[in-house]
Formats: sequence, structure tokens, C-alpha cells
Amino acid sequence: AQSVTQPDIHITVSEGASLELRCNYSYGATPYLFWYVQSPGQGLQLLLKYFSGDTLVQGIKGFEAEFKRSQSSFNLRKPSVHWSDAAEYFCAVARVGGYNKLIFGAGTRLAVHP
Amino acid sequence: GAVVSQHPSWVICKSGTSVKIECRSLDFQATTMFWYRQFPKQSLMLMATSNEGSKATYEQGVEKDKFLINHASLTLSTLTVTSAHPEDSSFYICSARSGSEQFFGPGTRLTVL
Repeated sequence: AQSVTQPDIHITVSEGASLELRCNYSYGATPYLFWYVQSPGQGLQLLLKYFSGDTLVQGIKGFEAEFKRSQSSFNLRKPSVHWSDAAEYFCAVARVGGYNKLIFGAGTRLAVHP
Repeated sequence: GAVVSQHPSWVICKSGTSVKIECRSLDFQATTMFWYRQFPKQSLMLMATSNEGSKATYEQGVEKDKFLINHASLTLSTLTVTSAHPEDSSFYICSARSGSEQFFGPGTRLTVL
């Protein structure tokens, strides 16, 4: 069965520290991969996506993610976290060629200490 | 960027009543919209895919007679929770597809008393 695992429910980092949010997927083939951020009162916003090509993907707000096929992972990173990055982060996968059905991970809530 | 709105942002209703939630794409047309349900501290679960001018496609386990979806125009999809019960209380989120990307609404909090 297709699934997405985000092992960390909560993560707390200090402002200015680096960040890595983990995401592992179980899929029949390499899917399309996404990271979304959800802030209170706002809709999910796409941070970045991987379809093919370079396995290191740059996104908005200074985020990047690296696709590792051998580990079935798509971890999200940011070198220096800002207080405004505090939010819920979701990893998601979709079938290659089909942009319809997104399967989401459980989410990781990020708290940022000043 | 593409903006999707939902109305209302929150609603409280009595058990047995029906509630309609609207999802609008404000600056683009969307032939396909999606409805998700999110339980507290849990992930988003796709309920159904709404296609303009045709019947919605429901995910397994979702009662189509309870969650009525209408996609009457390229900018509007509605979700009606019929005969709502407390277990239907949840956060409902819609998205609209534009190209290869889905744009999400801010969500609607439904509380059924």
C-alpha cells in the first residue's frame, strides 16, 4: 500500500539553527514528491516538488529537499530557521503522471525558539 | 499566485441538519477540485475528486450520500454534509488544480453539536 511516513511529530529548533524534516514513502515506483506548509488560518502552501531530474530541489522560503531513491526518502532542509517558519509541514506523494491523488504524511509540527 | 477561498471558515450546527461549504478558485479556472478531511493532529485524507460538469469520484469508505459534492462551474465546488452528526465534526479543506499543482483553501471547521 502507498504510504508516507513523517517520523517526527514535533520538532523544536532555535532561531538560526539548521532544520531537517524527515519523510519516507512506500510506493510501487518513484512517485512525484511534495512538501507543503500549513500555517493557522491559511491554506497549505507548496514549498517544493520533485518530478524528475536533479535530486536536490530548491523551493521557496529558503527550503530545499533531497530525493534519495535508495532510501525512499525526501527530506526537507533549511540552513537557518526563522521564527516565521513555525508551522505544520506535510510531505506528500502522487502517482507519476497523475496529479490527482495526493497521499499525505501525518505532518511535523515545527516550533521555533527565539 | 492562485488563490482558493472557502466559505464559511467555521460553522456550528445541530445534529441532523445539513451544512454547505463552498470552495472557489478566485483567479483561475479549475476543472478539477478536491475535498479533504483533516482530523486533529492528523493528516489530510482525500474524500473526493470533483470534476466540473460531471459526478464526483469518491474515495473508498466515503459516503457519497452523506457528502454531496457539486462542481457546477469552473470556479466553484460545494460540499454539503447532509444530516450531520457529531462524528462529522472535522476540518474540511478543498483544493483546486491548476496544471500540475493543487492550490489549497484555508479550510472550514465544522462542529456538529
